[in-house]
Amino acid sequence: QKEVEQNSGPLSVPEGAIASLNCTYSDRGSQSFFWYRQYSGKSPELIMSIYSNGDKEDGRFTAQLNKASQYVSLLIRDSQPSDSATYLCAVSGSARQLTFGSGTQLTVLP
Amino acid sequence: DTEVTQTPKHLVMGMTNKKSLKCEQHMGHRAMYWYKQKAKKPPELMFVYSYEKLSINESVPSRFSPECPNSSLLNLHLHALQPEDSALYLCASSQGWGGKDTEAFFGQGTRLTVV
Repeated sequence: QKEVEQNSGPLSVPEGAIASLNCTYSDRGSQSFFWYRQYSGKSPELIMSIYSNGDKEDGRFTAQLNKASQYVSLLIRDSQPSDSATYLCAVSGSARQLTFGSGTQLTVLP
Repeated sequence: DTEVTQTPKHLVMGMTNKKSLKCEQHMGHRAMYWYKQKAKKPPELMFVYSYEKLSINESVPSRFSPECPNSSLLNLHLHALQPEDSALYLCASSQGWGGKDTEAFFGQGTRLTVV
């Protein structure tokens, strides 16, 4: 079993729709959870961090964490073509290092 | 200012060459990292430096040699690489560990091609 798993893509949504990206993790000692956005040929960019159960909103982005279910998600509201990228879920656990999921490629169709 | 600067942006090297990748951050971060990323794959951790000491080495071949001259600089020395080492090499830094301190910021990467 992979330590961090993301829903397999690619994911396509129409412009203006809500994009939903999901991630599960296996280390129950994990404390910090991150979403990175990576455009093709570029480096990962941190877009959301979440540390406690519940929702955290930042502009069009909402991160959701459920530690009991070992589940973290990212919602992108009013999706724009510029949101088209690969989204990487990253988890920091007892190993004191970030573990990345394999990423979900999102395409927002105009 | 969340900026990590990597040089060079692109590097082509032969299998017998010696080259170095450089990374610099001025955010006062105490942890710095080297990652390797192949196309359509997630970043793969290579090395972690914490307070200028090597704390994690993910069984990386000895042809990759990291160095942390001071708290702001991180180098990756390359020697006798193989074509399969061609990848995007990413440097990152974070304040430390725990909660918000774990937030890692990446440089723009060095695209390495081994010929």
